[in-house]
Amino acid sequence: GQSLEQPSEVTAVEGAIVQINCTYQTSGFYGLSWYQQHDGGAPTFLSYNGLDGLEETGRFSSFLSRSDSYGYLLLQELQMKDSASYFCAVGAGSYQLTFGKGTKLSVIP
Amino acid sequence: KAGVTQTPRYLIKTRGQQVTLSCSPISGHRSVSWYQQTPGQGLQFLFEYFSETQRNKGNFPGRFSGRQFSNSRSEMNVSTLELGDSALYLCASSLFGGENTEAFFGQGTRLTVV
Repeated sequence: GQSLEQPSEVTAVEGAIVQINCTYQTSGFYGLSWYQQHDGGAPTFLSYNGLDGLEETGRFSSFLSRSDSYGYLLLQELQMKDSASYFCAVGAGSYQLTFGKGTKLSVIP
Repeated sequence: KAGVTQTPRYLIKTRGQQVTLSCSPISGHRSVSWYQQTPGQGLQFLFEYFSETQRNKGNFPGRFSGRQFSNSRSEMNVSTLELGDSALYLCASSLFGGENTEAFFGQGTRLTVV
């Protein structure tokens, strides 16, 4: 089976940097994805890591260490609009994504 | 291009009834996945369809079923509704369904069972 652990809530100040960690236990692993979901909205894709290392997309970066079964999402220059839930998700080769339970990020002034 | 469209957006049903939810994927996308989202459990995988074939099914009872049509539109059905089926049902489409590709989610159908 698959299981993913991520913090349930994180609070950070506008303009700061925040890191959301994700550890996983899976039978089979293709890669780690991150999704953002605002209240009442649809999840939207942020990034994908299939290999170890850092992927950068604007203010967002995502990191993967396959040997440690660990990844993180890094958000820089936080803005109020970044307040949302962030989900890590693992693909294990069976046409499904297994999601963590989400981290609710609150950005405060 | 148009996004993923789910209908209806909101639904209230009574225990024991059955319900059908619809999902129209992005044009050209052949893979459609369904997820159930609840506050306690997060997003849980229901099933995935590609070219009218179910390729994978999650750990849900047989009351949950789905299908995909030749135009890639998909429906899911829940029979004999239970209170615990109250959730947001999300549909996601992608070109081929690989886990290394971006999945595009619809706004979901909020199902309330009373």
